[in-house]
Amino acid sequence: GDSVTQMEGPVTLSEEAFLTINCTYTATGYPSLFWYVQYPGEGLQLLLKATKADDKGSNKGFEATYRKETTSFHLEKGSVQVSDSAVYFCALSDHQFYFGTGTSLTVIP
Amino acid sequence: GAGVSQTPSNKVTEKGKYVELRCDPISGHTALYWYRQSLGQGPEFLIYFQGTGAADDSGLPNDRFFAVRPEGSVSTLKIQRTERGDSAVYLCASSPNSGQPQHFGDGTRLSIL
Repeated sequence: GDSVTQMEGPVTLSEEAFLTINCTYTATGYPSLFWYVQYPGEGLQLLLKATKADDKGSNKGFEATYRKETTSFHLEKGSVQVSDSAVYFCALSDHQFYFGTGTSLTVIP
Repeated sequence: GAGVSQTPSNKVTEKGKYVELRCDPISGHTALYWYRQSLGQGPEFLIYFQGTGAADDSGLPNDRFFAVRPEGSVSTLKIQRTERGDSAVYLCASSPNSGQPQHFGDGTRLSIL
């Protein structure tokens, strides 16, 4: 069945460091891919999405590219801020949603 | 507000009791999803409604769990004979249609003593 595997955390970075959170997926069809973020004390929010191969999703300085050949959707940001501290979830949708286990990111000043 | 609303935000009850969790989706969203999230895990799919019908209930763990959406808007997740292992945050999400990005509620934290 469909599934998502993402890099385990926790991840701790200094402010302005480069961030990569790896995500790979298994799917029988052609799913859409998403990154959701959960800030402390808040609900899940959509961060970015890509609906087909080679699409790049971007938002708030974060980017992820849908790579069909490597079945990956890695999340990147060039310079993280303290306010980016949160838990990040990779997800895929082929009508049902499948979420990864989440990666906790802490950014220290 | 305009977002997905879940009530109650917290529920504490004793083992063996019956509980109902309510979800009020964004107006006009035809797809509604229930998930369960345990500590340190991602949301685990339970059931998905398209309109009034359950399009996919393959994630419900056993027959103690049931959900309805009688008028295609508000949904209720019902758990009978609760067990301590049912303790988790239950999340509801809605989207304009299936496969589109979901908007999540803040969840109901269920604790079974």
